[in-house]
Amino acid sequence: QKEVEQNSGPLSVPEGAIASLNCTYSDRGSQSFFWYRQYSGKSPELIMFIYSNGDKEDGRFTAQLNKASQYVSLLIRDSQPSDSATYLCAVKKGSSASKIIFGSGTRLSIRP
Amino acid sequence: EADIYQTPRYLVIGTGKKITLECSQTMGHDKMYWYQQDPGMELHLIHYSYGVNSTEKGDLSSESTVSRIRTEHFPLTLESARPSHTSQYLCASEKGKSSYNEQFFGPGTRLTVL
Repeated sequence: QKEVEQNSGPLSVPEGAIASLNCTYSDRGSQSFFWYRQYSGKSPELIMFIYSNGDKEDGRFTAQLNKASQYVSLLIRDSQPSDSATYLCAVKKGSSASKIIFGSGTRLSIRP
Repeated sequence: EADIYQTPRYLVIGTGKKITLECSQTMGHDKMYWYQQDPGMELHLIHYSYGVNSTEKGDLSSESTVSRIRTEHFPLTLESARPSHTSQYLCASEKGKSSYNEQFFGPGTRLTVL
């Protein structure tokens, strides 16, 4: 079992709809959760992070964390074609020496 | 804005050559990482460092080596390049001392070994 699991997709969503990306993790000691966006041929860039249970909103993006279910998700409202990319979920344990563990990513395609 | 640089951005080289991929950051970050990523595939951690004179191998076996003589500089060296080394190499850095800090990525080096 991988430490961080994501559906590889592709996830196809019509423009203007809500895109929902999901991620599960195996280590209950995980403390920090990140969502990165990676355009084809580019390097990953951080779009959201979340540490506490519940929702965190930033513009069109909402990250949701449920530590009891070991589940983190990213919602993208009013999806735009420019949101088409691979989204990487990343998880970190509660130690300063911990490495970030990346999921394999979900490919999102926004169709006009 | 993260200041992390990689050179060269693109490199085409013949089999058997020695190459060094450069990575520098100006943020004073303690932690630095090298990832290998094939197109459309997941990131694989190949080396990391938590400070000067500290280097560790990552999860993916690699024939490359790294050094960390200065905080800002984390070069990756391939002694003898092979076609199987063709890939994208991404460098990242992270502020130390906390479990809540994110990684910042450089623009990457796309390596092709003929």
